[in-house]
Amino acid sequence: DAGITQSPRHKVTETGTPVTLRCHQTENHRYMYWYRQDPGHGLRLIHYSYGVKDTDKGEVSDGYSVSRSKTEDFLLTLESATSSQTSVYFCAISDRTGNQPQHFGDGTRLSIL
Amino acid sequence: QKEVEQNSGPLSVPEGAIASLNCTYSDRVSQSFFWYRQYSGKSPELIMSIYSNGDKEDGRFTAQLNKASQYVSLLIRDSQPSDSATYLCAAPYLGSGNTGKLIFGQGTTLQVKP
Repeated sequence: DAGITQSPRHKVTETGTPVTLRCHQTENHRYMYWYRQDPGHGLRLIHYSYGVKDTDKGEVSDGYSVSRSKTEDFLLTLESATSSQTSVYFCAISDRTGNQPQHFGDGTRLSIL
Repeated sequence: QKEVEQNSGPLSVPEGAIASLNCTYSDRVSQSFFWYRQYSGKSPELIMSIYSNGDKEDGRFTAQLNKASQYVSLLIRDSQPSDSATYLCAAPYLGSGNTGKLIFGQGTTLQVKP
């Protein structure tokens, strides 16, 4: 299994609070991704990174920011959490471009009350 | 048309039968495909990759790619209750360059009944 660790695994917080989710990999893969998964919407890309300090937006990036200061860590921050951001968040990694699959972490279940 | 489309199901098959899961795709994706299995409450797990036209077999799983008709299938032979899960089809965006981004279908839920 790919060495991907997401933390925390579960979190409950209140509307308006900041939240940071962490993805840590031990594979030395260049590419990292944050997705959210909601019933009826499938997996949706929030942000991705193609190298240290190199990030870009996905299809549902509003309300989220990311940072990648080291190859192994990719952080997702909700600056001011809203109830619509209640979801399951997955981190994924891939090694190379050119039609490569991604491998997923175990996910973080986030509830915003 | 969505880039990658799957019937959400559920697809119900009896134990021991062949389950056939299908995915159609548009011209906006690159023709490499990945099948993921996702158990309820778990993360997606890569089970098959297929890059060229034709069939690729791995144990009880066979992936089929038909580029002329723009569909990719996953066949599961001798289906077991443990195969009950949601199966996601994914492909790289055409022209995704140095991003590695994938587009995922909505997933098909498979139920294998004992």
